[in-house]
Amino acid sequence: AQKVTQAQTEISVVEKEDVTLDCVYETRDTTYYLFWYKQPPSGELVFLIRRNSFDEQNEISGRYSWNFQKSTSSFNFTITASQVVDSAVYFCALTTQGGSEKLVFGKGTKLTVNP
Amino acid sequence: DAGVIQSPRHEVTEMGQEVTLRCKPISGHNSLFWYRQTMMRGLELLIYFNNNVPIDDSGMPEDRFSAKMPNASFSTLKIQPSEPRDSAVYFCASSHTQGVFYEQYFGPGTRLTVT
Repeated sequence: AQKVTQAQTEISVVEKEDVTLDCVYETRDTTYYLFWYKQPPSGELVFLIRRNSFDEQNEISGRYSWNFQKSTSSFNFTITASQVVDSAVYFCALTTQGGSEKLVFGKGTKLTVNP
Repeated sequence: DAGVIQSPRHEVTEMGQEVTLRCKPISGHNSLFWYRQTMMRGLELLIYFNNNVPIDDSGMPEDRFSAKMPNASFSTLKIQPSEPRDSAVYFCASSHTQGVFYEQYFGPGTRLTVT
């Protein structure tokens, strides 16, 4: 069975601080895909990144960066110089090639960036 | 592209009534997903279709729930009869699958309230 754990329920930071959101996953499949989604207060789910299990390269996109480490089964997300607009719930999700396309979501981390 | 379109955006109904939620996936996408989001259970997959065929409906709560995808551009999720515990936000998502699992793009959701 697949499982995604986001241990941080809520995080509160002050604008311009760096913040890291943790994601730990469990699967027995060797081919799998990891995702991060953002859910702002307006409620929609916005895709941020997809990473497959064979690509452990870290990725940077503007103020966002992701650290994928298979050795610790983690796929952490860092926001550098946070802004108020980053306030949202962030979800980490997993799907495996061996199963269906079913996305298994973590419970989410609510990030509040205060001015 | 217009993105995934869902209707209605909000639905308030009385217990026992039939509710139909509608979804138009992104053109060219061949997989369609229905998710439900609640505070208690988080985001959970109800059913998904690939090339209009239901592949995994293990998340459908009970026989009161049914889903159809008569063609590549339209899907419905029906609840009959509705109950207060069905109150949730229902998301439709679509993706393009060709041996590799790509990201799912979510619609804005339908907020269902059953009184």
